Amino acid sequence: AQSVTQLGSHVSVSEGALVLLRCNYSSSVPPYLFWYVQYPNQGLQLLLKYTTGATLVKGINGFEAEFKKSETSFHLTKPSAHMSDAAEYFCAVSDLLRTGTASKLTFGTGTRLQVTL
Amino acid sequence: EAGVTQFPSHSVIEKGQTVTLRCDPISGHDNLYWYRRVMGKEIKFLLHFVKESKQDESGMPNNRFLAERTGGTYSTLKVQPAELEDSGVYFCASSQETGAGTEAFFGQGTRLTVV
Repeated sequence: AQSVTQLGSHVSVSEGALVLLRCNYSSSVPPYLFWYVQYPNQGLQLLLKYTTGATLVKGINGFEAEFKKSETSFHLTKPSAHMSDAAEYFCAVSDLLRTGTASKLTFGTGTRLQVTL
Repeated sequence: EAGVTQFPSHSVIEKGQTVTLRCDPISGHDNLYWYRRVMGKEIKFLLHFVKESKQDESGMPNNRFLAERTGGTYSTLKVQPAELEDSGVYFCASSQETGAGTEAFFGQGTRLTVV
């Protein structure tokens, strides 16, 4: 069974500081990993995803994440936080079934990012 | 292009009543998913439609929940009778394909409060 652990339900950073949101996963097969963001009063929006190939993936709004198989991690980073980054961030894992179709997403509990002046 | 639309955005009902949530996926998306987030916990999968067929309903909590997708377009999720523990945010998502890494597009969610 798959699982996702997000360390820290709340993270606060100063504007301009590094953002680091942690995600560890457990999967019995090579995982497909996602980060979604939910801004206030909006739906979940895909930030970035890892399927195969390059382990450092870049997403929207300056975010990136690195897949580290040895550490079973997929941490999300951004070099310089902006006030508009305040939102809730969800890490998720999906896997590929024998049928060749991707299975459902398994989410972590989410991390709420606060950006202060 | 319109995104995934969910109705209503909020619903407050009394225990024992019935509520029906609706999801309109992105046009042309055969795959439709329902998820739920109970306050403070993770977003959990409920079920997956491919067109009008239920592909996976392993996440449905119990038989008080009934999901339909007649004609393979919009979907409804009915809770009857509602219990207090059904409170949460119900998300719908749709995707065009089910290949590896396919992006699922989410709606804004329906916040259900059972009192």
